[in-house]
Amino acid sequence: DTGVSQDPRHKITKRGQNVTFRCDPISEHNRLYWYRQTLGQGPEFLTYFQNEAQLEKSRLLSDRFSAERPKGSFSTLEIQRTEQGDSAMYLCASSLLDRTNYGYTFGSGTRLTVV
Amino acid sequence: KQEVTQIPAALSVPEGENLVLNCSFTDSAIYNLQWFRQDPGKGLTSLLLIQSSQREQTSGRLNASLDKSSGRSTLYIAASQPGDSATYLCAVSYSGSRLTFGEGTQLTVNP
Repeated sequence: DTGVSQDPRHKITKRGQNVTFRCDPISEHNRLYWYRQTLGQGPEFLTYFQNEAQLEKSRLLSDRFSAERPKGSFSTLEIQRTEQGDSAMYLCASSLLDRTNYGYTFGSGTRLTVV
Repeated sequence: KQEVTQIPAALSVPEGENLVLNCSFTDSAIYNLQWFRQDPGKGLTSLLLIQSSQREQTSGRLNASLDKSSGRSTLYIAASQPGDSATYLCAVSYSGSRLTFGEGTQLTVNP
């Protein structure tokens, strides 16, 4: 297991199209997070899962965004009817729910450009 | 509102200097604080994690301190090298789940 994997690395799409990103966490990690980062800003929380349950969603996550983690392993983030404002880096992270260490491991991200 | 602020936004130093990056947070009831490094166009690499009960953590040339009562953390980098050039992000967790990030300090170490 080499860490958190995200696919694709880059995605260019036309406004109005749907896109889906995939995240494969570290296998023994039971928590999985999605963040969004725009240029020059720190990442902003979108949502997180503990196993297959989606426990929290940010108000940033509009109705056009949906995330799933069907078997408590990989996760997908779908954006419907993309808008130019959706252009950003989408980061996935995982962690192990452990009383002593809540350290995160981030993937390399998916950079979305909406044209 | 729980906010995290990082100062300075950008810093340029000559190689070999010791430097300090600052992070402040508005709500002192944190669970833990984490420092990350981000290279251009890449994901985040965890550097140091400080639990709320701890005062500091060290890894190699890096030392992070935490003062919950004043809402501050510092990241000290000793003997800086050009390879340290990156954006450094401070992130606070209030519940052990989601992180609230600062906007980062962009560090350039000149040879």
